[in-house]
Amino acid sequence: GENVEQHPSTLSVQEGDSAVIKCTYSDSASNYFPWYKQELGKRPQLIIDIRSNVGEKKDQRIAVTLNKTAKHFSLHITETQPEDSAVYFCAATHNNDMRFGAGTRLTVKP
Amino acid sequence: DTEVTQTPKHLVMGMTNKKSLKCEQHMGHRAMYWYKQKAKKPPELMFVYSYEKLSINESVPSRFSPECPNSSLLNLHLHALQPEDSALYLCASSLGQPSYEQYFGPGTRLTVT
Repeated sequence: GENVEQHPSTLSVQEGDSAVIKCTYSDSASNYFPWYKQELGKRPQLIIDIRSNVGEKKDQRIAVTLNKTAKHFSLHITETQPEDSAVYFCAATHNNDMRFGAGTRLTVKP
Repeated sequence: DTEVTQTPKHLVMGMTNKKSLKCEQHMGHRAMYWYKQKAKKPPELMFVYSYEKLSINESVPSRFSPECPNSSLLNLHLHALQPEDSALYLCASSLGQPSYEQYFGPGTRLTVT
């Protein structure tokens, strides 16, 4: 089955800096890669996603890149703000079977 | 309505009890999911219903029994649970095949005593 690895497990940045979270996956059949943000006590919220036929996608301060050959994808957050502090999960999906990475706890210091 | 709702928000049950978790969406989604999330861990897929048929069952113990009465409703029936089953149970829905964005409900915080 699919195995998703995510790094780093914790990330602390100063407000205004960039944050990068990296994931690798094992199943070459996976074709949809969402990123979720989960604040304490709340539901996971989709923040950006990318499909396997696209190499890069950007939405304001958030971007995701995908390298299908290497089976890795990354989340980039620029101009970080304190409200970006949360746990971020990457996931790899094939036919509605979604597997999450272990998560990255991002702390943005004011 | 653009939300997935779940009831109850919190549930405390003994190991001999029978209870049910309920999930509802009115977005016309045809795939619905149950996930289990332990503290400081990612959600783990339990079951997937696609077009009201069980399509994925991740070797979940039989004390968890899913049911999809119609395309808008998803239930999880609980019986003879163990304390280690205490967790946040998340429901999600998506348009259907192929893989689409999954939208999560707020979850049910389950405690088994």
